[in-house]
Amino acid sequence: AQSVTQLDSQVPVFEEAPVELRCNYSSSVSVYLFWYVQYPNQGLQLLLKYLSGSTLVESINGFEAEFNKSQTSFHLRKPSVHISDTAEYFCAVSDPDFGNEKLTFGTGTRLTIIP
Amino acid sequence: ETGVTQSPTHLIKTRGQQVTLRCSSQSGHNTVSWYQQALGQGPQFIFQYYREEENGRGNFPPRFSGLQFPNYSSELNVNALELDDSALYLCASSSLGGINYGYTFGSGTRLTVV
Repeated sequence: AQSVTQLDSQVPVFEEAPVELRCNYSSSVSVYLFWYVQYPNQGLQLLLKYLSGSTLVESINGFEAEFNKSQTSFHLRKPSVHISDTAEYFCAVSDPDFGNEKLTFGTGTRLTIIP
Repeated sequence: ETGVTQSPTHLIKTRGQQVTLRCSSQSGHNTVSWYQQALGQGPQFIFQYYREEENGRGNFPPRFSGLQFPNYSSELNVNALELDDSALYLCASSSLGGINYGYTFGSGTRLTVV
């Protein structure tokens, strides 16, 4: 079974500072990797995904994540955060045993931006 | 195109009761998955439906059951509610094999069991 570890449950960051949210997964086989964002009282929104190809993937709002197969990591980064980035961030990995139709999520990292 | 719609948004039930949660999938999507998100946790996979048949199930007891209708909408039914069933229930739609595009999630139904 897949597992996802998000090492930091809460990350406070000053506005305009850089941030890294860490994610490690357990699989040794090819999987798909995702980052989702959840704003208060809302569902999950896809932020970015890694399927294959370039190990660096980017989102439209300045986030990027790098797939590192040897370290089984998929850390999320942003060079300069804004107040609007305050949210819960979830890393997820697909499960090949379910035909990659099932996602296994980490426990989330709450990103708080300090003005 | 419409997104994923879930109803109701909030619900309070008593232990032992039964509950039905509803989900309308995004236009063009034929697969619906249900996830349970307990407070402070990440979502956990309950099951997936494709063409009105269960297409995979997570580690949830049989009292969690579902339906998918010809228009691809779906219901999640939970019998004999327990206090630990209190959670946010998320519905996600996709095209089968289209998980690489990422699910489209609804805003969820928050169930409180007292």
